[in-house]
Amino acid sequence: GESVGLHLPTLSVQEGDNSIINCAYSNSASDYFIWYKQESGKGPQFIIDIRSNMDKRQGQRVTVLLNKTVKHLSLQIAATQPGDSAVYFCAENNQGAQKLVFGQGTRLTINP
Amino acid sequence: EADIYQTPRYLVIGTGKKITLECSQTMGHDKMYWYQQDPGMELHLIHYSYGVNSTEKGDLSSESTVSRIRTEHFPLTLESARPSHTSQYLCASSQRGRAFFGQGTRLTVV
Repeated sequence: GESVGLHLPTLSVQEGDNSIINCAYSNSASDYFIWYKQESGKGPQFIIDIRSNMDKRQGQRVTVLLNKTVKHLSLQIAATQPGDSAVYFCAENNQGAQKLVFGQGTRLTINP
Repeated sequence: EADIYQTPRYLVIGTGKKITLECSQTMGHDKMYWYQQDPGMELHLIHYSYGVNSTEKGDLSSESTVSRIRTEHFPLTLESARPSHTSQYLCASSQRGRAFFGQGTRLTVV
């Protein structure tokens, strides 16, 4: 069935360094991908999205890369700050199914 | 930011009680969803709706039920709460694939 998974459950980086969070998806029919950030006690918050007709999209301090050949998605956070500490989820959507499927999440910890 | 609201934020209730978790959005979105999430774990879709009078079960089996009588309102009901229902419940609505989430309801059944 559909599944979206993340390679690492936890990631620890130094403040100021760049962070890279990876995600693998299995449904080749998925055509829309989103990264969410979830802080403790809160609902997931939209960070950035990308459609399958693109391979890269940039936002403020964040970049999402999509490699459809190997079904891989990554989120890059530049100059990581303490406020970036959270669990990050990738999600995929098949427009035909119109359901968002989430992966397991990666907990990002920032070391001072 | 999105206008989607869930109440209550926290609920502790005894086994066997009937409960309703409320979710409302003011964005006029047709699609709404309920996810169940254990702390730090992935989100599991338990119910969704494409519009008024439309409800479907999600990928994770759930003993809860939902209704969609109005576009802005998507309540979730548990007829008889059990300790296995202890979890966080997240409501979302979407437009063009992008989902907006509420703050969640953390339910504890004792």
